[in-house]
Amino acid sequence: KQEVTQIPAALSVPEGENLVLNCSFTDSAIYNLQWFRQDPGKGLTSLLLIQSSQREQTSGRLNASLDKSSGRSTLYIAASQPGDSATYLCAVRSNYQLIWGAGTKLIIKP
Amino acid sequence: EADIYQTPRYLVIGTGKKITLECSQTMGHDKMYWYQQDPGMELHLIHYSYGVNSTEKGDLSSESTVSRIRTEHFPLTLESARPSHTSQYLCASSGWDGLNYGYTFGSGTRLTVV
Repeated sequence: KQEVTQIPAALSVPEGENLVLNCSFTDSAIYNLQWFRQDPGKGLTSLLLIQSSQREQTSGRLNASLDKSSGRSTLYIAASQPGDSATYLCAVRSNYQLIWGAGTKLIIKP
Repeated sequence: EADIYQTPRYLVIGTGKKITLECSQTMGHDKMYWYQQDPGMELHLIHYSYGVNSTEKGDLSSESTVSRIRTEHFPLTLESARPSHTSQYLCASSGWDGLNYGYTFGSGTRLTVV
């Protein structure tokens, strides 16, 4: 059974720092992995999607990597800003279902 | 612009009332989903649909029901609301955009049953 783990559960860093969020999964047979952002009380915004055949995807200050063999993905955020404060969720697609991590709550201090 | 819409955004309702949460998407996606999320907790799949007239229960047991009569519409109904139903409900759809097979989420409905 696929399980997704995100570490750390919470992270607080000063503005301007580069940071890495981690996501691990137990079954490497995935179709893709998707990173989402959730602001308090809101829905989810898709940030990056990596197909199982890809190694990384980039969007602006965000870079997501995927190592299927080791069951790991990282989300790199460069030059963090207070507006990046949110909960970041990763989800792997197995069959037609998304398996979710519990998220990393990120706080960027001005 | 292609998107997914949920209404209402917030709902406070008394115990025993029947409610329907609306979800519509304009992307033509076949697959749609309902998730339940308590504050600070994981998303839990409660219902999904792979197309018109197709509905299935998800991993989390729920007293709600869904219908899929039209591709773009996937409403969720609670016949008799209870305080234990207080939660955030997120609707999503998935499909192929020519490059990727991804998921798109609505803004959610925050339900409070008093």
